Amino acid sequence: GQSLEQPSEVTAVEGAIVQINCTYQTSGFYGLSWYQQHDGGAPTFLSYNALDGLEETGRFSSFLSRSDSYGYLLLQELQMKDSASYFCAVSANSGAGSYQLTFGKGTKLSVIP
Amino acid sequence: EPEVTQTPSHQVTQMGQEVILRCVPISNHLYFYWYRQILGQKVEFLVSFYNNEISEKSEIFDDQFSVERPDGSNFTLKIRSTKLEDSAMYFCASKGKGYTGELFFGEGSRLTVL
Repeated sequence: GQSLEQPSEVTAVEGAIVQINCTYQTSGFYGLSWYQQHDGGAPTFLSYNALDGLEETGRFSSFLSRSDSYGYLLLQELQMKDSASYFCAVSANSGAGSYQLTFGKGTKLSVIP
Repeated sequence: EPEVTQTPSHQVTQMGQEVILRCVPISNHLYFYWYRQILGQKVEFLVSFYNNEISEKSEIFDDQFSVERPDGSNFTLKIRSTKLEDSAMYFCASKGKGYTGELFFGEGSRLTVL
């Protein structure tokens, strides 16, 4: 099976930078994704890393180290609207030939003025 | 922009009743999923569906649950004999070809079992 660890809560100031870490254990690893979820809303895709290194998409960047089974999401120039839960998710081949996405427990980010 | 749609947005039912949650995935997608999220908790995988059959299911997805793709557009989750602990948000998701790590989620169906 898969397991993921990420901090449960993070608080940061508007305009600052915050990093949300994720460590995982899995077999059949394809890649690591990040999703954002506002209260009452659906998870929305932010980024995906299949290879080691940094992927940048605007204010958000995501990093992966396959050898360390570790990744992080970096949010820059924080805005109040970034207050949400952020989930890392592992894409893996379960062995049954099925592509499955397993989510971590989520990190609740609170952006304060 | 194509989107996954789910109905109903909220359903209240009595314990022991059957419910059917409906989803219309993005039209050219081939892989379909149901996830659930109990309030304040993580998103949990229930089942994946490809080529008109279940490709994988989690321990949560026991005999109480079933999925069906009755026609070319709908994808349904049936929960028989609902229990209080089935109260959750149920998300449908779909995916196209390739491994991009991106699932497209619907807005969810909130199920409340009384």
